[in-house]
Amino acid sequence: DVKVTQSSRYLVKRTGEKVFLECVQDMDHENMFWYRQDPGLGLRLIYFSYDVKMKEKGDIPEGYSVSREKKERFSLILESASTNQTSMYLCASSFPKLEQYFGPGTRLTVT
Amino acid sequence: GDSVTQMEGPVTLSEEAFLTINCTYTATGYPSLFWYVQYPGEGLQLLLKATKADDKGSNKGFEATYRKETTSFHLEKGSVQVSDSAVYFCALSQGAQKLVFGQGTRLTINP
Repeated sequence: DVKVTQSSRYLVKRTGEKVFLECVQDMDHENMFWYRQDPGLGLRLIYFSYDVKMKEKGDIPEGYSVSREKKERFSLILESASTNQTSMYLCASSFPKLEQYFGPGTRLTVT
Repeated sequence: GDSVTQMEGPVTLSEEAFLTINCTYTATGYPSLFWYVQYPGEGLQLLLKATKADDKGSNKGFEATYRKETTSFHLEKGSVQVSDSAVYFCALSQGAQKLVFGQGTRLTINP
């Protein structure tokens, strides 16, 4: 079974903190993605990566950065968390042109 | 840019009712179309897909047909069950494999 795991299911951070969200996949997928999910807005792409050390901005990259040092791991970084980054964050991975597999999500609250 | 529009939710039905969730898209070229489902507390799972016009995707009793002339990919099921209660997302992708999602439709099935 394909497995995409995320480091935390729930996270509470304070405004201004640096936040790391980790995602690991065990299927040797080239592509990895970070989305945020908000009610009424669906999922919006923050960043994606199609190879180690490669990254591309998605639709809403402002306030976020990413790191992919190893093929199986893709990290999302909030440099200075703000309350408008309170959301559900979903990681996904895939082979090129094939379906994406999603992790269970991290619900982040910034207070 | 590309976009996906789903019918507004939430949708509440009785068990064994017929289900339709409307999805229309705007895209240049010939996208692939997907329905993803998110059960409570979980990440998204691919429900079905279609990669070209007139293709029908089907899985677990759900069906959707890729209609290029109406730019639609409506999800249907003949007889829903309580276990179908979830949030359903319509999505498209083309070229770079990024998914563009609709806003999601929450479905509740009452016994």
